[in-house]
Amino acid sequence: DGGITQSPKYLFRKEGQNVTLSCEQNLNHDAMYWYRQDPGQGLRLIYYSQIVNDFQKGDIAEGYSVSREKKESFPLTVTSAQKNPTAFYLCASRVRDRGNNEQFFGPGTRLTVL
Amino acid sequence: RKEVEQDPGPFNVPEGATVAFNCTYSNSASQSFFWYRQDCRKEPKLLMSVYSSGNEDGRFTAQLNRASQYISLLIRDSKLSDSATYLCVVNSNYGGSQGNLIFGKGTKLSVKP
Repeated sequence: DGGITQSPKYLFRKEGQNVTLSCEQNLNHDAMYWYRQDPGQGLRLIYYSQIVNDFQKGDIAEGYSVSREKKESFPLTVTSAQKNPTAFYLCASRVRDRGNNEQFFGPGTRLTVL
Repeated sequence: RKEVEQDPGPFNVPEGATVAFNCTYSNSASQSFFWYRQDCRKEPKLLMSVYSSGNEDGRFTAQLNRASQYISLLIRDSKLSDSATYLCVVNSNYGGSQGNLIFGKGTKLSVKP
């Protein structure tokens, strides 16, 4: 079955540690996205990538880094520079088609900083 | 002005009720409009796209008013399983990319027996 997977589902981190969240898709989608969701808040865009080996900052990129070495994979690293990293992180992807902007989401990773 | 605004709710309705959600957006150049559904502690899932002529899918009807920059979702004969948060979503041209989406904060619906 095609879809987007994220791992781990739950992640606990000590302050000062970097952690990497995995996002993999087998939908053959070109574009991939990382969002952060806080309680009672909408999704905020962290980074996005329209094509392999290229990515752009979103609204809240500070303290995060990404890579896009393969079409299927778009890992997100939460660095120690991120002041308030506890949140629900969602990865999404879409076909790079001007007429179709629908994004498909993975199940998310809940990150808690201890 | 916030880019996508929704009434946060919660909307508490009895089974069988009709409930309407409204949303306004600020970018007049937006071309794509969606309603997503998000269950508690789950990822958002597409409920329906919204077309200029309005569209219906079973008990759900979505409408778009470009002049007023207003989107609506109507749920008829609501079921317990409709309880969720409904996200109004509009495309943006952030960074020159029309494919990026702007999400409202969502309206929470709770359907009671």
